[in-house]
Amino acid sequence: GAVVSQHPSRVICKSGTSVKIECRSLDFQATTMFWYRQFPKQSLMLMATSNEGSKATYEQGVEKDKFLINHASLTLSTLTVTSAHPEDSSFYICSARDMARLNQPQHFGDGTRLSIL
Amino acid sequence: AQSVAQPEDQVNVAEGNPLTVKCTYSVSGNPYLFWYVQYPNRGLQFLLKYITGDNLVKGSYGFEAEFNKSQTSFHLKKPSALVSDSALYFCAVRALGLSFGAGTTVTVRA
Repeated sequence: GAVVSQHPSRVICKSGTSVKIECRSLDFQATTMFWYRQFPKQSLMLMATSNEGSKATYEQGVEKDKFLINHASLTLSTLTVTSAHPEDSSFYICSARDMARLNQPQHFGDGTRLSIL
Repeated sequence: AQSVAQPEDQVNVAEGNPLTVKCTYSVSGNPYLFWYVQYPNRGLQFLLKYITGDNLVKGSYGFEAEFNKSQTSFHLKKPSALVSDSALYFCAVRALGLSFGAGTTVTVRA
């Protein structure tokens, strides 16, 4: 069964709207979660690393004020796309690692398809 | 710096034939290598990993991969492909976060 739950799976909204995406680890504690963005037929691009109880680490070129990340607990990280515009339309995927089992793979959510009209 | 390369954008095979998806990597130190599969509008599903030990790693759905240190490769293989194996496959290497290859679209025709 799924070990990482991502919600919602699809969002369609108007330009200027802020959208929040949730990522939950279901049966393990994840001090670190990762947020990726994927364009059609392309690979995953790491946007930011979310650290529980501290500020997220953003990759070069990713706007911190545009993509707000909150990791308030060991099982939940949220990504908020603020004042979304059509160019923010994409497939966003989160993943989490069980930090007590570092040799295990990252587990991925099912992704969120964001469409900004 | 770590990176992976998947030299083929697409692989097309007939059902029942062997399937190989290529991956080469570059990493300092010992590599942690992974293969993931992605179906349309879904997240990534873990197939297999190499951390240490036997060079031939067996994973989910009949897939296996061979770690070759001298060639810095970690090719994914399946002896007999199914139509349901048609998907997007990613090779990845990890230090802290994962670095992904560009992905290879596999199409298995009936």
